[in-house]
Amino acid sequence: SQQGEEDPQALSIQEGENATMNCSYKTSINNLQWYRQNSGRGLVHLILIRSNEREKHSGRLRVTLDTSKKSSSLLITASRAADTASYFCATLKDKGAQKLVFGQGTRLTINP
Amino acid sequence: DVKVTQSSRYLVKRTGEKVFLECVQDMDHENMFWYRQDPGLGLRLIYFSYDVKMKEKGDIPEGYSVSREKKERFSLILESASTNQTSMYLCASSGSYLTGELFFGEGSRLTVL
Repeated sequence: SQQGEEDPQALSIQEGENATMNCSYKTSINNLQWYRQNSGRGLVHLILIRSNEREKHSGRLRVTLDTSKKSSSLLITASRAADTASYFCATLKDKGAQKLVFGQGTRLTINP
Repeated sequence: DVKVTQSSRYLVKRTGEKVFLECVQDMDHENMFWYRQDPGLGLRLIYFSYDVKMKEKGDIPEGYSVSREKKERFSLILESASTNQTSMYLCASSGSYLTGELFFGEGSRLTVL
């Protein structure tokens, strides 16, 4: 079963705008990770946030984590056409089987 | 840079054929994973391995087996391919099982006719 659920499923914005994607999960986690996938390619790790962290930055990326709401958001600032891709959250549960579980992803399109 | 190499980007097989998907990583990672990716279903874990000759079932192991004879190589085997196994298969490795990031290969798109 899918642990993480991304919202929205698809997002289309103009270049230069900010893009926000959300991820909700069901059980308590050790950490949450965001990955990016260009069409037809493998996934690339973007950022990891641990359960005791609330916010993390990496370049134009900002990730927040609210463990009380079991949700995370990924913000991409000043978007570029090259940011067009699918974005996935993945959660590592803090109990039980230690494996990453991926959501279904958000398809982001940046229009020039 | 970590490199995860999958042997074939595209394969076309017939129903009932035996299919081998090979994955090799060059960073001495203990942990390796096989996922399949389907539209609307996201990535689903088939099998993973945390050491040579060790394997654990993921969420959808039925119809698949794996082999890890050497640390750098993790193979996914479809003993008798079926049309519902048409999918994108993604291999990944990780140096830290509990907290580390996954490094993915480019994927193998398998079509079973």
